[in-house]
Amino acid sequence: DVKVTQSSRYLVKRTGEKVFLECVQDMDHENMFWYRQDPGLGLRLIYFSYDVKMKEKGDIPEGYSVSREKKERFSLILESASTNQTSMYLCASSFWRGLEKLFFGSGTQLSVL
Amino acid sequence: AQRVTQPEKLLSVFKGAPVELKCNYSYSGSPELFWYVQYSRQRLQLLLRHISRESIKGFTADLNKGETSFHLKKPFAQEEDSAMYYCALNSGGSNYKLTFGKGTLLTVNP
Repeated sequence: DVKVTQSSRYLVKRTGEKVFLECVQDMDHENMFWYRQDPGLGLRLIYFSYDVKMKEKGDIPEGYSVSREKKERFSLILESASTNQTSMYLCASSFWRGLEKLFFGSGTQLSVL
Repeated sequence: AQRVTQPEKLLSVFKGAPVELKCNYSYSGSPELFWYVQYSRQRLQLLLRHISRESIKGFTADLNKGETSFHLKKPFAQEEDSAMYYCALNSGGSNYKLTFGKGTLLTVNP
């Protein structure tokens, strides 16, 4: 079974802190994604990557950055956390051109106080 | 721009009743459409995709290009179908992005 692992299930941070969310997949997938999931807003794509050191902005990249130094790891960085970034963050991966099936992590619930 | 609309935030039915979760999309090309499901305390997972024309857990969905719809249907709902359902669209080509709808929370009552 494909495993997409997010390092933290719950995270509480203060406004202005730099926050790192980590995601690791074990199936040698080329594509990796970060979404945020908010009630009533569904899933919105923040950033995605289709190769090591490659990244592209999604629909809501403001306030976020990403890093992909190794194929299996995709990090989401909140440069200066704000309260409106309180959300559930979902990482996903897929084979290249295998977009028909995204494999999701269990999510990180981030609270920014 | 591509867009996915799920008009119902909440849908409640009784066990054994038919269920239809609506999904409409906006895209001028040839879309690839999917339904994802998230059961309580579980990960989001693929339910079905239109290219496979498959039935999963009794659910089917037909792509209607004329009406730009991809509604999810099941003739007899079960309590274990209670979950959040998301419709998703891939515009294809070199675009790797899946655009999700806002989701419909289905509750199947006993």
